Amino acid sequence: GAGVSQSPRYKVAKRGQDVALRCDPISGHVSLFWYQQALGQGPEFLTYFQNEAQLDKSGLPSDRFFAERPEGSVSTLKIQRTQQEDSAVYLCASSLAQGVSTEAFFGQGTRLTVV
Amino acid sequence: AQRVTQPEKLLSVFKGAPVELKCNYSYSGSPELFWYVQYSRQRLQLLLRHISRESIKGFTADLNKGETSFHLKKPFAQEEDSAMYYCALKGMNAGKSTFGDGTTLTVKP
Repeated sequence: GAGVSQSPRYKVAKRGQDVALRCDPISGHVSLFWYQQALGQGPEFLTYFQNEAQLDKSGLPSDRFFAERPEGSVSTLKIQRTQQEDSAVYLCASSLAQGVSTEAFFGQGTRLTVV
Repeated sequence: AQRVTQPEKLLSVFKGAPVELKCNYSYSGSPELFWYVQYSRQRLQLLLRHISRESIKGFTADLNKGETSFHLKKPFAQEEDSAMYYCALKGMNAGKSTFGDGTTLTVKP
């Protein structure tokens, strides 16, 4: 694989609709991260997986946000009953391991627009 | 709590001029500091990390624990350096990174 792949690249959702965003990490990467990036701001941490275990979900803004990585590879970020404030670019990143200065590789992101 | 501040949203310099992108952080322990870059229409990518003490594309950054800063410097800017630059902090043994809001660097010919 060429790198971290995210799909769809763009998603327009009507308010109240559920959405699912997919992340394919680099093969063999143990750690996977989701970030939310609002317009004009830096990425904000949402959640982190090591293999299939979700080790940190402290950044998820509400219980409408749910992430999973059932087989320790592909991950899905699900947002239920989308609201306008959910409009942002959602970034996925993966790294080989959780260690000192392990480089994180980012996907191109999914731009979600809630109308 | 950890926080990263990049005081300049926009920075514009002429080609060949020195450039410094500022980054200040707040963290109670020993942090790892990174600079990420995003060129137009490309994905976010790592530029350099403090622990490696490396120079990438002519850029260097020194961690100053006394001033809690990690400013990015380059003595002679090039047009291809025009991009968005993000400073990021990761606590030791922590999975997440905290990013600043970024500085858009424009290098004019």
